[in-house]
Amino acid sequence: IAGITQAPTSQILAAGRRMTLRCTQDMRHNAMYWYRQDLGLGLRLIHYSNTAGTTGKGEVPDGYSVSRANTDDFPLTLASAVPSQTSVYFCASSDGNRAGLDEQFFGPGTRLTVL
Amino acid sequence: AQTVTQSQPEMSVQEAETVTLSCTYDTSESDYYLFWYKQPPSRQMILVIRQEAYKQQNATENRFSVNFQKAAKSFSLKISDSQLGDAAMYFCAYRSPGANSKLTFGKGITLSVRP
Repeated sequence: IAGITQAPTSQILAAGRRMTLRCTQDMRHNAMYWYRQDLGLGLRLIHYSNTAGTTGKGEVPDGYSVSRANTDDFPLTLASAVPSQTSVYFCASSDGNRAGLDEQFFGPGTRLTVL
Repeated sequence: AQTVTQSQPEMSVQEAETVTLSCTYDTSESDYYLFWYKQPPSRQMILVIRQEAYKQQNATENRFSVNFQKAAKSFSLKISDSQLGDAAMYFCAYRSPGANSKLTFGKGITLSVRP
């Protein structure tokens, strides 16, 4: 069982280019999340999806879009990358329908550098 | 909105000694969940321990335990018999009860372990 996979592991991108970060989970979790991690700021939620076919905005959604066509995949797209989007991006998933602990499981992260 | 504060950006501990990492949070809810995540240099986010606010007993997982002070809104992590492998960034996180609620993370603390 792989859990959550993310691709690519790292990427250097020119400003203005379009980029899609991929995330796939095999746990049949309902909920999925995208975070960015920046030094001194912790993890901040970008977008989330409570179930396939639905998405919602998190704390820092500007410049990013997501889709949830099926249960397993939750890609994050930067339509026109800017240097301030240089960060480490984490995808996570959880059962989502449980009140309570509903542990989130994290992918290995993608390090993105926008020049 | 809930906030999570980790006021110490860095801490250091001697191997085999005990260290306590601080976390405070702000909420108006009476029921909620608290988590500590570990992020080693590999970047993988690992759940260390979790606490349910309605439980008075402090959670314990092997060498890791918490000191949960609900009235003070404090949730500190104690690591006993520190090991070199404990060196990592540690994040405190809060989650409201109810399905589809989201995690709010603190900014993290970097723990170094001196041999």
